[in-house]
Amino acid sequence: NAGVTQTPKFQVLKTGQSMTLQCAQDMNHNSMYWYRQDPGMGLRLIYYSASEGTTDKGEVPNGYNVSRLNKREFSLRLESAAPSQTSVYFCASSVATLAKNIQYFGAGTRLSVL
Amino acid sequence: AQSVTQPDIHITVSEGASLELRCNYSYGATPYLFWYVQSPGQGLQLLLKYFSGDTLVQGIKGFEAEFKRSQSSFNLRKPSVHWSDAAEYFCAVTYSGAGSYQLTFGKGTKLSVIP
Repeated sequence: NAGVTQTPKFQVLKTGQSMTLQCAQDMNHNSMYWYRQDPGMGLRLIYYSASEGTTDKGEVPNGYNVSRLNKREFSLRLESAAPSQTSVYFCASSVATLAKNIQYFGAGTRLSVL
Repeated sequence: AQSVTQPDIHITVSEGASLELRCNYSYGATPYLFWYVQSPGQGLQLLLKYFSGDTLVQGIKGFEAEFKRSQSSFNLRKPSVHWSDAAEYFCAVTYSGAGSYQLTFGKGTKLSVIP
């Protein structure tokens, strides 16, 4: 079972470049999430999508946009990358946005912005 | 706002020794608590969870955790550590009620295992 798949695994950008991180899940989950992980900071929620057609801001949304393309796919876009966006990005999914719904994570995208 | 504190940034134990990783959460009426493990270069894997009922919960890979409401703690334990347990461990909390989908993570505890 693939679970949550993220592409690419690694990316290096120059300041000002744009890129889209892709995420797909095959568990028929309704809800999807994007987190960033920085050393000593744990994971912080960037955006989430409670269900197909809806998206909402999390704790650190500035500089990012998201698209819930369909039930399976949830992409994260950096329109003009900045060095402060150097991080590891994780996508997660859950059955629904209820507290008891366990979130399942992808393997991450390691992004460096020079 | 909900918060999670993992007081230990880095812990080193010898293989075969016992392990306890600490986690304290901000007070909430009905916390839902999780421990995740992240191996180097990998995503997060759920070790165990607590929703209600028995305060001692068992997880995968021989881990267990005990919920203590009076101490707002949810410490992770393992009686005998294996070298493959070297990883980073994250405690997370959410609460029942509206808008409670957001998992709040601690900053993590990195575990090193000495052969």
